Amino acid sequence: LAKTTQPISMDSYEGQEVNITCSHNNIATNDYITWYQQFPSQGPRFIIQGYKTKVTNEVASLFIPADRKSSTLSLPRVSLSDTAVYYCLVGGHASGGSYIPTFGRGTSLIVHP
Amino acid sequence: EPEVTQTPSHQVTQMGQEVILRCVPISNHLYFYWYRQILGQKVEFLVSFYNNEISEKSEIFDDQFSVERPDGSNFTLKIRSTKLEDSAMYFCASSRIGELGEAKNIQYFGAGTRLSVL
Repeated sequence: LAKTTQPISMDSYEGQEVNITCSHNNIATNDYITWYQQFPSQGPRFIIQGYKTKVTNEVASLFIPADRKSSTLSLPRVSLSDTAVYYCLVGGHASGGSYIPTFGRGTSLIVHP
Repeated sequence: EPEVTQTPSHQVTQMGQEVILRCVPISNHLYFYWYRQILGQKVEFLVSFYNNEISEKSEIFDDQFSVERPDGSNFTLKIRSTKLEDSAMYFCASSRIGELGEAKNIQYFGAGTRLSVL
């Protein structure tokens, strides 16, 4: 299983761009990279997924370098409501094979006024 | 927007009692999952379920746990004899079967059931 490493916590201010980097040195060739957000007492919520290069949706961007050993979730212009824990997961290719979703400790993002 | 629904939102039980946690996954999803999260700790995978059988399970998912899809819509987690350490938030999730180029791990989570074992 590809292990992921993220900063435990980050602080930011409203309106700033926040970049959270996840290391996954032993990512497998077929592994996708998926990010989730979790608010207290709620289930994780899917944010974005990618395989390589850059992916953008209405919420965030995901940057993946060519070696895919890390990925960076970018949240543009954060607001107080973006205060949450952010998790990156690797794995789960559609072609099959064993997949046990593994959530690490995640990154606790606190956005200040 | 379709969502995963879980009932009850809070379940209180006595140690040694059986509990059944219920989930209604998103209707066109084919993979189903249970997770637990002890207060202040990380989300832990329990079990995945596909095509009416368990696909994967973790070490946590021992003989005290079982899952079932009793009909076309519900997905249940049963804990046979609850222990104090089973107190946690339990999340159900579902995902579509992966299409070519799309991973199956885009999971949609319910709001959870808080299980309190006294």
